[in-house]
Amino acid sequence: EAAVTQSPRNKVTVTGGNVTLSCRQTNSHNYMYWYRQDTGHGLRLIHYSYGAGNLQIGDVPDGYKATRTTQEDFFLLLELASPSQTSLYFCASSDALGSYEQYFGPGTRLTVL
Amino acid sequence: GDSVTQTEGQVTVSESKSLIINCTYSATSIAYPNLFWYVRYPGEGLQLLLKVITAGQKGSSRGFEATYNKETTSFHLQKASVQESDSAVYYCALNQGGRALIFGTGTTVSVSP
Repeated sequence: EAAVTQSPRNKVTVTGGNVTLSCRQTNSHNYMYWYRQDTGHGLRLIHYSYGAGNLQIGDVPDGYKATRTTQEDFFLLLELASPSQTSLYFCASSDALGSYEQYFGPGTRLTVL
Repeated sequence: GDSVTQTEGQVTVSESKSLIINCTYSATSIAYPNLFWYVRYPGEGLQLLLKVITAGQKGSSRGFEATYNKETTSFHLQKASVQESDSAVYYCALNQGGRALIFGTGTTVSVSP
């Protein structure tokens, strides 16, 4: 069974809307990540966390909040969604930073109209 | 800063032909980053294809190979004979020390029968 799951898989909202993307991992990993994937940009790191209650800022954090409620669950919050946040979002987990393999969820496609 | 460059956004190749996907990197903060290839099959999340953490070494998996070339700062991915099931998006990535991965923009490979 999948070790990293994301919900919803697809989401459409309007400008100014409030969106929460959910991620759960059953790998017992310490680190979890949120990325966005846009054509021509590759995966860009939004936020990451090394445990419940911890949050680290990534490379493209503006307009995003995140919260790690448990070791398993990591949420990405868009409180005032904008069309520029239309993207494919991936969650991932890993045992640690560095050369450790990251395990990815299937992605959430978000469209902001 | 550190970066990964994949020059081909899309590659089309016939089944049983050879494939090469170019990847070059720039790592200013550390001399010998760890290098990775991830693959994303349709509808799935990214998964690790291979990694090499020592300059001069070659990694291989599922018929794919990549050699860590410090002199040319390259980590090209090659396969001698592709199959239709190799159609996917391939991402080159680097990690420098205890930090999160930096991804290239991805190369979409389409294998025609």
